[in-house]
Amino acid sequence: GAGVSQSPSNKVTEKGKDVELRCDPISGHTALYWYRQSLGQGLEFLIYFQGNSAPDKSGLPSDRFSAERTGGSVSTLTIQRTQQEDSAVYLCASSYGPLAGQETQYFGPGTRLLVL
Amino acid sequence: AQRVTQPEKLLSVFKGAPVELKCNYSYSGSPELFWYVQYSRQRLQLLLRHISRESIKGFTADLNKGETSFHLKKPFAQEEDSAMYYCALRPSGNTPLVFGKGTRLSVIA
Repeated sequence: GAGVSQSPSNKVTEKGKDVELRCDPISGHTALYWYRQSLGQGLEFLIYFQGNSAPDKSGLPSDRFSAERTGGSVSTLTIQRTQQEDSAVYLCASSYGPLAGQETQYFGPGTRLLVL
Repeated sequence: AQRVTQPEKLLSVFKGAPVELKCNYSYSGSPELFWYVQYSRQRLQLLLRHISRESIKGFTADLNKGETSFHLKKPFAQEEDSAMYYCALRPSGNTPLVFGKGTRLSVIA
């Protein structure tokens, strides 16, 4: 079956513009995760969804970042008023669930964001 | 707070040499530990998990609770092992994985 997909694969934007990044998880996966991968910082957790609710938003770096998930499936990560330090690869992952035995995360290819 | 530390950002070894990627964690309970790998131009993917006690692509990792470590080892490195490796911790309960910052392994021919 299809894996996790993300769009766009690449996004170049100007500082101050808003961007939306999309993630389509594997069908049937209830848990969805957003990470940011940047040079020297490794994999940085942003937010986690179980169904449509986000029990853990602790990783969002500022109030310019928000995410939603609808229908227990597609998720959108929105960055408002982008800054150059937002440039990174944004990864999405999904898992069958968060409980023991379900937590193997399957990653998407990422969206490479460049803020000029 | 839970934390995963990978002290080496870059590790270079010669083909055929043993390799060990270090991972230390801090967590007061009984965690589950994982290694994820990202090969060039590929997605991040699960390599192995301590619960399974398995060997994948010749790699093994043993959880040492006394030293709070979960080092990844392979006796004879291959060029195709060159990749970015992330150690991850799953605290008990309904929480997502906590990842280390990763170690880039470069196997030199």
